Amino acid sequence: GENVEQHPSTLSVQEGDSAVIKCTYSDSASNYFPWYKQELGKRPQLIIDIRSNVGEKKDQRIAVTLNKTAKHFSLHITETQPEDSAVYFCAALGERDDKIIFGKGTRLHILP
Amino acid sequence: NAGVTQTPKFQVLKTGQSMTLQCAQDMNHNSMYWYRQDPGMGLRLIYYSASEGTTDKGEVPNGYNVSRLNKREFSLRLESAAPSQTSVYFCASTQHGSYTEAFFGQGTRLTVV
Repeated sequence: GENVEQHPSTLSVQEGDSAVIKCTYSDSASNYFPWYKQELGKRPQLIIDIRSNVGEKKDQRIAVTLNKTAKHFSLHITETQPEDSAVYFCAALGERDDKIIFGKGTRLHILP
Repeated sequence: NAGVTQTPKFQVLKTGQSMTLQCAQDMNHNSMYWYRQDPGMGLRLIYYSASEGTTDKGEVPNGYNVSRLNKREFSLRLESAAPSQTSVYFCASTQHGSYTEAFFGQGTRLTVV
């Protein structure tokens, strides 16, 4: 079955700097890769996603890149702000079944 | 719309007790999921249901059973709770095959003593 690895587990960046979180997946049949943000004590919420026929997608300060050959995808946050502090999860979903498999999460700290 | 609603929000059980976590969605989604969240372990899939009448095991199904009662409702049952099942449980739903957002419930914090 699908396995999603996520790095790093914790990331601290200065406010205004960029943050990058990386994920790898194992199932070459996976073709949808969402990213979720979870604030303390709240439920995960989708922030951006990418499908396998696209290499990059941007939405204001966040972007996701996908390398299907290497089975890598990454989340990029530019001009980080205090409200970006949260736990971020990557995930993968394939065509063969309906499982959404998540990485273990990255706790992002934005330092003042 | 309420989205995905889970009950209860908090629960304390004694070892060996049983309970059912309830989940309902009003978005006409056909896929529903149960996850558990533990510190440092992320969101691990317990069971999922791609459509009414079907259920499949996820990554950590042992000790749990599920029922897809109808299109709206997907329940998770612990027959004999163990301290290792202390966790935060999330229900989620999405539209099968559409590759769109999965919506989560507010979570159930379960403690087994």
